[in-house]
Amino acid sequence: DVVMTQTPVSLSVSLGGQVSISCRSSQSLVHNNGNTYLSWYLQKPGQSPQLLIYKVSNRFSGISDRFSGSGSGTDFTLKISRVEPDDLGVYYCGQGTQYPLTFGSGTKLEIK
Amino acid sequence: EVKLLESGGGLVQPGGSLRLSCAASGFTFADFYMSWIRQSPGKAPEWLSFIRNKANSYTTEYNPSVKGRFTISRDDTQNVLYLQMNTLRAEDTAIYYCAKHQGNWFAYWGQGTLVTVSS
Repeated sequence: DVVMTQTPVSLSVSLGGQVSISCRSSQSLVHNNGNTYLSWYLQKPGQSPQLLIYKVSNRFSGISDRFSGSGSGTDFTLKISRVEPDDLGVYYCGQGTQYPLTFGSGTKLEIK
Repeated sequence: EVKLLESGGGLVQPGGSLRLSCAASGFTFADFYMSWIRQSPGKAPEWLSFIRNKANSYTTEYNPSVKGRFTISRDDTQNVLYLQMNTLRAEDTAIYYCAKHQGNWFAYWGQGTLVTVSS
């Protein structure tokens, strides 16, 4: 299985600040078709996860441009700028390149 | 608006069975791949199973952790996704979500249904 390792486990940020979350995969996420299936999800308290970013850097419909994804191969980053109160929750990266599909263990974002 | 509504969860004894349903609306269900994902309290989501559409022969994929015990299926005439779960264990206790694919990622998730396996 592809193991997804997220760091940090948690972080605290002031409103208006910027944070980065790292996600590293145990194998390259480049699919045979040339696409890299790395996605990011946010699970707000008491809610189901919601898609933020797909294929490394593509924002899903309705997602603010304050969220940006980057990376390649095995190393990926989610950046959140101008942090707002509604951004708090747990962020997960996920890979869709190889079965079984797997998720990182999550990064909890708290607002100072 | 895409809506996914899971049902069928509840309390079941170890070794028992349960069938979950996911009623879909707001999109052409028959055209899309669908998955089941679960999440134990305080843990990351765990993908369980995936079913392709009719154009791709309804083929399926399973996580080895549930292969042989869980079966995914769909009824495109009723816009419903199913998960048949057999030989349930305490470690199967979790919230179970259905999710709509958009490529190899989960574009929309339902609100989940809680399954508790306990005697």
